[in-house]
Amino acid sequence: DAEITQSPRHKITETGRQVTLACHQTWNHNNMFWYRQDLGHGLRLIHYSYGVHDTNKGEVSDGYSVSRSNTEDLPLTLESAASSQTSVYFCASSDGAVLDTQYFGPGTRLTVL
Amino acid sequence: GDSVTQMEGPVTLSEEACLTINCTYTATGYPSLFWYVQYPGEGLQLLLKATKADDKGSNKGFEATYRKETTSFHLEKGSVQVSDSAVYFCALSDSRGVGGSYIPTFGRGTSLIVHP
Repeated sequence: DAEITQSPRHKITETGRQVTLACHQTWNHNNMFWYRQDLGHGLRLIHYSYGVHDTNKGEVSDGYSVSRSNTEDLPLTLESAASSQTSVYFCASSDGAVLDTQYFGPGTRLTVL
Repeated sequence: GDSVTQMEGPVTLSEEACLTINCTYTATGYPSLFWYVQYPGEGLQLLLKATKADDKGSNKGFEATYRKETTSFHLEKGSVQVSDSAVYFCALSDSRGVGGSYIPTFGRGTSLIVHP
């Protein structure tokens, strides 16, 4: 069965360190998204990609970067982790068809000390 | 721009009670509407969807009707169970990206707690 996975599921890091969160999907979807989820803010879009070598900034992209070298993967990098980036991160994908249902990964809980 | 407003929670109910979670939207185009559910410790998953006015989406006993005249998509269930305890997100999609791709707009989520 097709799926979308994230790793690690939990991560603790220190301020200033570079961190990369992995996202891998086997749906063969063109569109991939990264969100963060915080109490009181719901889901906020960080970056998204419409296909290989395409990346776009979302509403809270500062301090984050992504790259898309193949269809299956969209890793999210925190260049220099800050305590404000402590959050739960979700990756999602969609196939760009009319209904555009999103398929979400299980999430990564990141703590920046 | 597009926006989704849903009632704040938590909504606390006893088992077998009726549920309504309100959702209203603003959109420049003619969007598709969705309800997603997030169970504790998991990612969001699609609960139901509707693509045009007066369409009714349904799944697992939940229903929502696309009301264009009131720009609403309220989620309803006649008899909730403890296992329905989760966070529910209303969302819309409006094709406005390259090649018709889109960026979804989510509400902030409504927590539902069902007691035995």
